[in-house]
Amino acid sequence: AQSVTQPDIHITVSEGASLELRCNYSYGATPYLFWYVQSPGQGLQLLLKYFSGDTLVQGIKGFEAEFKRSQSSFNLRKPSVHWSDAAEYFCAVGPNYGGSQGNLIFGKGTKLSVKP
Amino acid sequence: ETGVTQTPRHLVMGMTNKKSLKCEQHLGHNAMYWYKQSAKKPLELMFVYSLEERVENNSVPSRFSPECPNSSHLFLHLHTLQPEDSALYLCASSEVEGGGYTFGSGTRLTVV
Repeated sequence: AQSVTQPDIHITVSEGASLELRCNYSYGATPYLFWYVQSPGQGLQLLLKYFSGDTLVQGIKGFEAEFKRSQSSFNLRKPSVHWSDAAEYFCAVGPNYGGSQGNLIFGKGTKLSVKP
Repeated sequence: ETGVTQTPRHLVMGMTNKKSLKCEQHLGHNAMYWYKQSAKKPLELMFVYSLEERVENNSVPSRFSPECPNSSHLFLHLHTLQPEDSALYLCASSEVEGGGYTFGSGTRLTVV
């Protein structure tokens, strides 16, 4: 069955510290991979995506993610967290129909808190 | 402003009311989606429209009725809802050929 697992429900880091949010997926083929961020009361904003090519992907707001096929993972990282990064983060996977995206499957999300 | 606009932002309705949620995008996207986001549950895909045709309905109760009159507009008609239908309803759009979804800010629905 297709699924996305974000094992950490809630993470707290200090401002300026590094961050890694984990995402593992179960999929029948190489999927498209995404990370979204949601601030309270808002919709989801796309941070970055992986379709093919370089497995290290750069996104907005200083985030990056690395696709590791052998581990079925797509972890999100940021070297130095800012207080404004406090939000909920969602990993998502979708089918790669040779260019067509198909419907996305979302993880349950990881809530990030940032302490001063 | 994300490019996908949802109205209203907040809605309180009784179980016997009829109301509609509206979603509008002017990004030139060809696919539109309704998602339900409840506390402590994953995002639930409700409906998918691609090129204005419904392509997926994930066993959503008939008290939710979608309408997609053109590629820029999507509605979710609501009637005789239950309290457990209270949630954040998110609309999204995408190019059929990929690129990620663009989400609206959502409608926070409370059924009393």
